[in-house]
Amino acid sequence: LAKTTQPISMDSYEGQEVNITCSHNNIATNDYITWYQQFPSQGPRFIIQGYKTKVTNEVASLFIPADRKSSTLSLPRVSLSDTAVYYCLVGGLRGQNFVFGPGTRLSVLP
Amino acid sequence: DAMVIQNPRYQVTQFGKPVTLSCSQTLNHNVMYWYQQKSSQAPKLLFHYYDKDFNNEADTPDNFQSRRPNTSFCFLDIRSPGLGDAAMYLCATSRELGTNTEAFFGQGTRLTVV
Repeated sequence: LAKTTQPISMDSYEGQEVNITCSHNNIATNDYITWYQQFPSQGPRFIIQGYKTKVTNEVASLFIPADRKSSTLSLPRVSLSDTAVYYCLVGGLRGQNFVFGPGTRLSVLP
Repeated sequence: DAMVIQNPRYQVTQFGKPVTLSCSQTLNHNVMYWYQQKSSQAPKLLFHYYDKDFNNEADTPDNFQSRRPNTSFCFLDIRSPGLGDAAMYLCATSRELGTNTEAFFGQGTRLTVV
């Protein structure tokens, strides 16, 4: 099962771009990388998923280098409402999906 | 519209008194998961169902059981809740178990044990 490592917390200011990097050194060939966002007292919510290079959607971008041993979630121009915990997940063996790492607590300051 | 619905949102139970938490889904997904999340911690996978096949995580206590009577519903039974079982319980679904699937989470049930 691929283990992930993320910074425990990050601070940013409104309007800035935030990059959160996740390390997953033992990622398997068929593993995808998925990021979830969780607000207090709510369930996690899917943000973005990728396999290699770059993926972009309406809320974020995901950058994955060629060796796939890390990935970076990029949030453009964050607002106060982006304050949340962000989890990086890497697919594991059948039956071990969606095992969360410790996550990164992002605080966006005015 | 909510796609994964957990009831109730808040549950108070007595120490040692069995309690059942429920989850329903409108997505017709094959997989349903139960997670336990304690304060300031990441969600911890307890078990999941792929259709009717039950898969228990190795470190899930025997005190926790689950039932999935049909595709739409899944229940978490805590046979004898202890104070340490107070947590948010999250239900999630996914279409398949593949690494490229997306999980959909409910709002959670916050369990208090008194």
